[in-house]
Amino acid sequence: SAVISQKPSRDICQRGTSLTIQCQVDSQVTMMFWYRQQPGQSLTLIATANQGSEATYESGFVIDKFPISRPNLTFSTLTVSNMSPEDSSIYLCSAREGQYTFGSGTRLTVV
Amino acid sequence: DAKTTQPTSMDCAEGRAANLPCNHSTISGNEYVYWYRQIHSQGPQYIIHGLKNNETNEMASLIITEDRKSSTLILPHATLRDTAVYYCIVPSYGKLTFGQGTILTVHP
Repeated sequence: SAVISQKPSRDICQRGTSLTIQCQVDSQVTMMFWYRQQPGQSLTLIATANQGSEATYESGFVIDKFPISRPNLTFSTLTVSNMSPEDSSIYLCSAREGQYTFGSGTRLTVV
Repeated sequence: DAKTTQPTSMDCAEGRAANLPCNHSTISGNEYVYWYRQIHSQGPQYIIHGLKNNETNEMASLIITEDRKSSTLILPHATLRDTAVYYCIVPSYGKLTFGQGTILTVHP
C-alpha cells in the first residue's frame, strides 16, 4: 500500500493567518482526499483533490476557506485560510491505491 | 449510499477474541465493506476489506453474512494495543465517510 508523508505534523498559528499542509505519496495514486477531525469527533471529509482540475468539496466546505492543489499524482496541499480558533483540528490526507491509506495528520492549534 | 451502524462501545479481555459487528443493510451488490481503526492521535489504519466472501489477514478476519447486510470484524487474540476506535465503512462514489465507529477497550 502507498505510504503518505504529511507535514507539518503540528503547528500553532495566529488567527487571521493561513497554513498550508503538504501531503506526499510514495507512488502515483488516482484519488487523494483531505479530512478534518475536530477534537473528540470522527473524521469529516473536506474534499477530493483532483489531479489537473479543481478539487471537489463536500457540503459545508468551500474553496475560499480550504484551497487545495494537486499538481501531480503524488502530491497535494491543503491551505487553511484566515484561521480562527474554530479551525483547531487535526487535518489528514488520504490516498487510494487499492485500499485507502492515511497520513499521520497535522495537529493545528489556532490562538 | 450504504449507511453503516455500529455499537458505540465494546469491551474485551486481553487474549480473548474481539467480535465487532456492523450493519449495512442498504449495501448494494458491488460495494465493498472496509474496516479501519484509529488509535488515539494517529491516522486511521487499514485493517481489512471484503465483498462477499470471508476474508482473513495477519490482523483480523472479516465475516460477511450471506445476504451482505451485516459483517463482523474478528480480532482473534486482542491485546491492550488493540484499544482503538473501529470504523466499518462502505465507500460511496469512491470516498470513505466515517461514522462514529465502535470504541473497543481491551482490558487486562
